[in-house]
Amino acid sequence: DAKTTQPPSMDCAEGRAANLPCNHSTISGNEYVYWYRQIHSQGPQYIIHGLKNNETNEMASLIITEDRKSSTLILPHATLRDTAVYYCIVRVGGTGTASKLTFGTGTRLQVTL
Amino acid sequence: GAVVSQHPSWVICKSGTSVKIECRSLDFQATTMFWYRQFPKQSLMLMATSNEGSKATYEQGVEKDKFLINHASLTLSTLTVTSAHPEDSSFYICSGSGLAGVRYEQYFGPGTRLTVT
Repeated sequence: DAKTTQPPSMDCAEGRAANLPCNHSTISGNEYVYWYRQIHSQGPQYIIHGLKNNETNEMASLIITEDRKSSTLILPHATLRDTAVYYCIVRVGGTGTASKLTFGTGTRLQVTL
Repeated sequence: GAVVSQHPSWVICKSGTSVKIECRSLDFQATTMFWYRQFPKQSLMLMATSNEGSKATYEQGVEKDKFLINHASLTLSTLTVTSAHPEDSSFYICSGSGLAGVRYEQYFGPGTRLTVT
C-alpha cells in the first residue's frame, strides 16, 4: 500500500473549517484514500473514503486532486469534540474488501475555543 | 452505524499469567477481524488478521504462540495474551470487516487497555 505524509499537528478554532492535508504521491490506480480519526483512548472511527471523485457525507468532505497525489479532509464546522488524531490511509480495493489498514502517524488536530 | 464491542475495557494482570480479550460485532457479521496494538503516543500496529473458521495470519515480528487468536464465529474473535510480561502492556484494538447497512467497511472496537505488573 502507498505511504502517506501528514503534518504532525494542526490547530483550528471552534466553528471554523478544519482542512487536513495528506500527500500520497505513490498511490496506485486501484488504491482508495481513507480517513479515520481516533479520539484519545478510543478505537478509530471511520470518516470517509474516495477513489478519485470528491466525496461528502454527514461528517466531512474529501477533496482529491486530479492527479490523486494528494487529498484534503474538510471538517466544515469544527467543534471541540473533533479534537483527535486523524489518519489518512491508502489501500487497495476500497468498499467490499477486507484488505488491511496501515496506520501512519496521523495529524493531531486540536480544536480550541 | 456498525458496533464492535470489546471486553474487558481494561485489565490488570500479573506477569506470567494469561489474559483473554473478546471482540464482538454486535449488528453485523464480520467475515474478517483484525487485531491491533497501540503503545502510548504511537500509531496502531496491525498484529494479525483472521477469517472466520481459519487460522489467523500474523504480521512479521508478532509471536503467534504468544498472541493466540480465535475467530470461531462471524461475530466473535478472541485474543489471548499468554504468559504476559510488562512489555505486553498496551492498548489492544480489534476491528471487524463486514456489511453493515449499505456499507462494507472496517469497524473498530473501543479498545482494551492491558497492564501487566
